[in-house]
Amino acid sequence: EAGVTQSPTHLIKTRGQQATLRCSPISGHTSVYWYQQALGLGLQFLLWYDEGEERNRGNFPPRFSGRQFPNYSSELNVNALELEDSALYLCASTMGQYNSPLHFGNGTRLTVT
Amino acid sequence: GESVGLHLPTLSVQEGDNSIINCAYSNSASDYFIWYKQESGKGPQFIIDIRSNMDKRQGQRVTVLLNKTVKHLSLQIAATQPGDSAVYFCAENEAAGSYQLTFGKGTKLSVIP
Repeated sequence: EAGVTQSPTHLIKTRGQQATLRCSPISGHTSVYWYQQALGLGLQFLLWYDEGEERNRGNFPPRFSGRQFPNYSSELNVNALELEDSALYLCASTMGQYNSPLHFGNGTRLTVT
Repeated sequence: GESVGLHLPTLSVQEGDNSIINCAYSNSASDYFIWYKQESGKGPQFIIDIRSNMDKRQGQRVTVLLNKTVKHLSLQIAATQPGDSAVYFCAENEAAGSYQLTFGKGTKLSVIP
């Protein structure tokens, strides 16, 4: 069974540009979570999607947005990139049942120059 | 600040010895806890989880202990191997019905051959 897949693996953008990150959940998983992992820091919750709807978002500005498609894959968009957006962006999926573990992808390394 | 933290940021263990990684949490309402292992260049990998109605749970070579009285969580790894070298994160689910996890900053485990 394929795990959570994210693309691209690496992404280099300049300040002010927009970035789009993609995530395909494990087959059968309906919930997708996005986390930001800045260098030397823990994982910070960004967004949660379930059944195509945004269920919750973390303490991030509105230029961080996303969506979930009918096939449960998801996109994270970051507009007006800033240098401090450089981080590893991790996507995780779960079956959507309470206390079912999150399974993470290997992330997209975003570098803003 | 984060409600989940770690007592030791780094831990060096001789191969074959047992490892103990500790974690403190502050939210009494947390009812689900989980340990992840993150190797360099990869996303967090699920190790083991425990619900608040349990004190102990065992997996393959790993045991998680939960002490709700002092809000303490620990991960024990038996017969530590070089492949166990990684950063270990504890996390808690603060909201029922959601998988929005709060992560600690992690403990780096180094196994000495």
